[in-house]
Amino acid sequence: AQSVTQLDSQVPVFEEAPVELRCNYSSSVSVYLFWYVQYPNQGLQLLLKYLSGSTLVKGINGFEAEFNKSQTSFHLRKPSVHISDTAEYFCAVTDPSYNNNDMRFGAGTRLTVKP
Amino acid sequence: DAGVTQSPTHLIKTRGQQVTLRCSPKSGHDTVSWYQQALGQGPQFIFQYYEEEERQRGNFPDRFSGHQFPNYSSELNVNALLLGDSALYLCASSPWTAYGYTFGSGTRLTVV
Repeated sequence: AQSVTQLDSQVPVFEEAPVELRCNYSSSVSVYLFWYVQYPNQGLQLLLKYLSGSTLVKGINGFEAEFNKSQTSFHLRKPSVHISDTAEYFCAVTDPSYNNNDMRFGAGTRLTVKP
Repeated sequence: DAGVTQSPTHLIKTRGQQVTLRCSPKSGHDTVSWYQQALGQGPQFIFQYYEEEERQRGNFPDRFSGHQFPNYSSELNVNALLLGDSALYLCASSPWTAYGYTFGSGTRLTVV
């Protein structure tokens, strides 16, 4: 089964600094990749997704991610973070070989933005 | 347009009891997946329902079962509750794979 590994469990950063949250996936075949954000006591909200085509995908709240097939990575970036970006971020993968295959999540990265 | 709704929001049960959690998918979504999220961990896939049948299942024991109704809503049942079943249970719906999942806010289950 496909899986993702989030390389950092916690990332502290100062407000207005850039940030990168790292994600590697296991599969060598076609994949769909997603980043979700979870605020305290809430469900997960989709930030962005990579399906095919351009390797740089843009999402909500100023986030973007780059798909790198040779390195099997899908790192999330934001050029300037805000206090409100403090949350848990999850990378997820699914196999597009058939419709609505299950989605597998990483363990999460806790982003803490400090003033 | 309502998103995914889950009920109840919080639940406290005693070891050995049984529990039923409910989920209404987003309008237009016919596939429902359930996830267990323990504290400080990522969501773990329990199972997925489509056309009222369990289509895929993660590594969870048979104590975890589910159902999907003709209106696409779904239930998650857990029998013989263990302390380790304490977690946030998330329901997600989707119309197709590329869309991604829309998640509900979850049901926080505490087993004492």
